[in-house]
Amino acid sequence: GQNIDQPTEMTATEGAIVQINCTYQTSGFNGLFWYQQHAGEAPTFLSYNVLDGLEEKGRFSSFLSRSKGYSYLLLKELQMKDSASYLCAVLDSNYQLIWGAGTKLIIKP
Amino acid sequence: IAGITQAPTSQILAAGRRMTLRCTQDMRHNAMYWYRQDLGLGLRLIHYSNTAGTTGKGEVPDGYSVSRANTDDFPLTLASAVPSQTSVYFCASSDTSSGGETQYFGPGTRLLVL
Repeated sequence: GQNIDQPTEMTATEGAIVQINCTYQTSGFNGLFWYQQHAGEAPTFLSYNVLDGLEEKGRFSSFLSRSKGYSYLLLKELQMKDSASYLCAVLDSNYQLIWGAGTKLIIKP
Repeated sequence: IAGITQAPTSQILAAGRRMTLRCTQDMRHNAMYWYRQDLGLGLRLIHYSNTAGTTGKGEVPDGYSVSRANTDDFPLTLASAVPSQTSVYFCASSDTSSGGETQYFGPGTRLLVL
């Protein structure tokens, strides 16, 4: 079966750095997405990786290793507004997105 | 409007009743999707449409139907609601015809079936 694993919850301090991991086992791979979802709101797109390596976008970076079935989202200089759930999703061989359950990130002052 | 809109925002529905959730996008995206999101679970695909006039079943299609008469609208119908259909429903769209796989989401409909 297809499976996306990410931690249920993480806590970090304002101004610090946090890394959210995602491992996947899917039928085929056509890219990996990270989305941010604030409580009660819709998911919003953060990043897309299809090749191995690090993609940097401001305070957020996303890394992919296809051979290890692994990705992480790195958030730097954490702000209170970064408190949200972070969703990892893989585009499978049928070009359908398979979603992880999300990681709830709690930022403390 | 810009992006995707959904209606209603929230709804309480008696079991056995019929309900249509509406979704409209103005980005001229060819592909549209319906997901449900339940606590502790990832988003699960209900139905999708790759282009106007075509639809497909996702992971959890039972009890739901969709239609895609035109590019902009993609309504989701619950023929006879059951309590297990209590969830948050998100509509999304993407421009796969130009190689874009990123999905953009509407604000969601919160449905409670009693």
